Amino acid sequence: DQQVKQNSPSLSVQEGRISILNCDYTNSMFDYFLWYKKYPAEGPTFLISISSIKDKNEDGRFTVFLNKSAKHLSLHIVPSQPGDSAVYFCAARTRGNTPLVFGKGTRLSVIA
Amino acid sequence: ETGVTQSPTHLIKTRGQQVTLRCSSQSGHNTVSWYQQALGQGPQFIFQYYREEENGRGNFPPRFSGLQFPNYSSELNVNALELDDSALYLCASRTLAGGGETQYFGPGTRLLVL
Repeated sequence: DQQVKQNSPSLSVQEGRISILNCDYTNSMFDYFLWYKKYPAEGPTFLISISSIKDKNEDGRFTVFLNKSAKHLSLHIVPSQPGDSAVYFCAARTRGNTPLVFGKGTRLSVIA
Repeated sequence: ETGVTQSPTHLIKTRGQQVTLRCSSQSGHNTVSWYQQALGQGPQFIFQYYREEENGRGNFPPRFSGLQFPNYSSELNVNALELDDSALYLCASRTLAGGGETQYFGPGTRLLVL
């Protein structure tokens, strides 16, 4: 039973355009959502997060949108750069000192 | 730079052997979690330690065990290794101070079981 789903295994975008990565979840008790970026041979690097009480959080080129009624979140990267090419993981957790539940990841390729 | 280090970076073992993986967290990060990432999958939660006590466990058998030490280091032990244990093992730490919502990951240990 996969509680966090990233249905697109890969995404290819031209440099300078917008990248939109999507994530769906099933557990309505999830309270906090995070996006991580992972390069080969490295651990996941925290990108941006959002609490369930918000619907948008922005940090530079990265914006995360949360639609609680649809149990959907998305990460927008504008403008996309070749260095953004990596695997992006969506993760979620419930309230308290609880572990993260990850999606399977989406591989983003930004083409120059 | 997350301040979380792991050793070794790579390891090759044979089926039936035992392995110990190590993690060193940031000072003050009193929660450490271990995850297993198989090829093509997202990280899967193994267990979590808070102030040296296990306080959460995922769907992994008892042959996966751990320890957390007062100096913010921790260990993951796996007994009776199986071929399916081949994966990237990630350690993550966080503190509950000031919210402490974000988990910071180490670079991982890649384990190959032959």
